[in-house]
Amino acid sequence: NAGVTQTPKFQVLKTGQSMTLQCAQDMNHNSMYWYRQDPGMGLRLIYYSASEGTTDKGEVPNGYNVSRLNKREFSLRLESAAPSQTSVYFCASSDRGITEAFFGQGTRLTVV
Amino acid sequence: GEDVEQSLFLSVREGDSSVINCTYTDSSSTYLYWYKQEPGAGLQLLTYIFSNMDMKQDQRLTVLLNKKDKHLSLRIADTQTGDSAIYFCAEALNAGGTSYGKLTFGQGTILTVHP
Repeated sequence: NAGVTQTPKFQVLKTGQSMTLQCAQDMNHNSMYWYRQDPGMGLRLIYYSASEGTTDKGEVPNGYNVSRLNKREFSLRLESAAPSQTSVYFCASSDRGITEAFFGQGTRLTVV
Repeated sequence: GEDVEQSLFLSVREGDSSVINCTYTDSSSTYLYWYKQEPGAGLQLLTYIFSNMDMKQDQRLTVLLNKKDKHLSLRIADTQTGDSAIYFCAEALNAGGTSYGKLTFGQGTILTVHP
């Protein structure tokens, strides 16, 4: 019973490198979300996908792109990583009629 | 816009009650949540309250909601060392029937429980 799975768990990038964070859920949820967590700031929404085929910006979308590959998978891409993107990234999923969002274990990203 | 505020630190002795407070600004919020995060882990939903309720109790947890003052609190009775963690409050807006994963989080309260 995996729930929401994120890969990788840890990553170190050099400034300017690109990478994709992967997220998959096995609960058949329509909606998926990407958040970042920074010390003293809680979690902030980067992008979300209300349903397969749609994506929308959240509070802090600059420097990121997303792809809703299919109903299960929602990826987050950093095209040119910057030190300000050092953070812990969380993926979540939810659906209508469900009162909570389910979170993955997070990806800890360091950009040097 | 939405804004959720929490105090950053709380320290209690084992066996005492802990009260974590949160204020929010958006009166159209539907659900309000309390999440727990242990070091290096993801977020675990502790409890939630619908905006038309005043109180919800779930074993050691009591949630109080004061809609007039836009104030939410989480009381943990008989606090244990295993309760040491970061606690986040979050609000979900009524997004026209879509799911409730679009959340605004507070900064988190670090709860430290001393033996």
